[in-house]
Amino acid sequence: GQNIDQPTEMTATEGAIVQINCTYQTSGFNGLFWYQQHAGEAPTFLSYNVLDGLEEKGRFSSFLSRSKGYSYLLLKELQMKDSASYLCAVTDSNYQLIWGAGTKLIIKP
Amino acid sequence: NAGVTQTPKFRVLKTGQSMTLLCAQDMNHEYMYWYRQDPGMGLRLIHYSVGEGTTAKGEVPDGYNVSRLKKKQNFLLGLESAAPSQTSVYFCASSPSGDTQPQHFGDGTRLSIL
Repeated sequence: GQNIDQPTEMTATEGAIVQINCTYQTSGFNGLFWYQQHAGEAPTFLSYNVLDGLEEKGRFSSFLSRSKGYSYLLLKELQMKDSASYLCAVTDSNYQLIWGAGTKLIIKP
Repeated sequence: NAGVTQTPKFRVLKTGQSMTLLCAQDMNHEYMYWYRQDPGMGLRLIHYSVGEGTTAKGEVPDGYNVSRLKKKQNFLLGLESAAPSQTSVYFCASSPSGDTQPQHFGDGTRLSIL
C-alpha cells in the first residue's frame, strides 16, 4: 500500500530552527509537496521537490532524497505565526496526490 | 481575485438528508478536486475532474457524486443520503495541471451529520 509518515506533533521555541521529517512509500514518484495549514483554515502551498537536494525559500527549506524515500521541511527563525500543521504529499505514478496526516507544530515563546 | 470559493461554510444535516456542496474557481484551472479531512488522517480524495465535463473517482467515492459542467464554474459534490460517517471538513481544490503544479484550496465546508 501507499504510505506517508510524519510525526504527529512537534514543539519548538520562537527564534529556533525545527526540522519536520516525512518518509514515503508510494507506487512511483512524481514529486513531493509541503503545505502549511493553520487551524480551521485551508492548506496553502509551501514547496515542491522533484529532484534530490535542497530547495530554499526564505526561512523555509525543503530537502528530498528519492533513494531513501525521505524529505524534510526546515523552518528557521521560528515565529509564533508558524504554529500550524505541515502536510507532506507525494504525487504517485498515476499523478494522484497521497497525503500524510500532517505534523502539528507548536511554537513556544 | 477570489481563487477557490466554497459554499456553504457550515451545515448540519440529519441522517438520510441530501445536499450539494458548491465549489467555483476563477483561475482557469483544468483540474479540480474534492477532499475530506478527518482528525488524525491525511486529506482523502473523494472525486476529481481533469477538465470540463469529466469526473473520476478518488480514494473514497462511495456515498458521493460529482458534476462539472463548465471549466470555470461550479464543481459540485453531492451527498445522496447523508450518514454520520460523512461528518467531516470538505475541501475543494484546483490546479492548472495534475502533476507538478500545486493545488489551491477553498476555505472548506464543515459538515455535521446527526
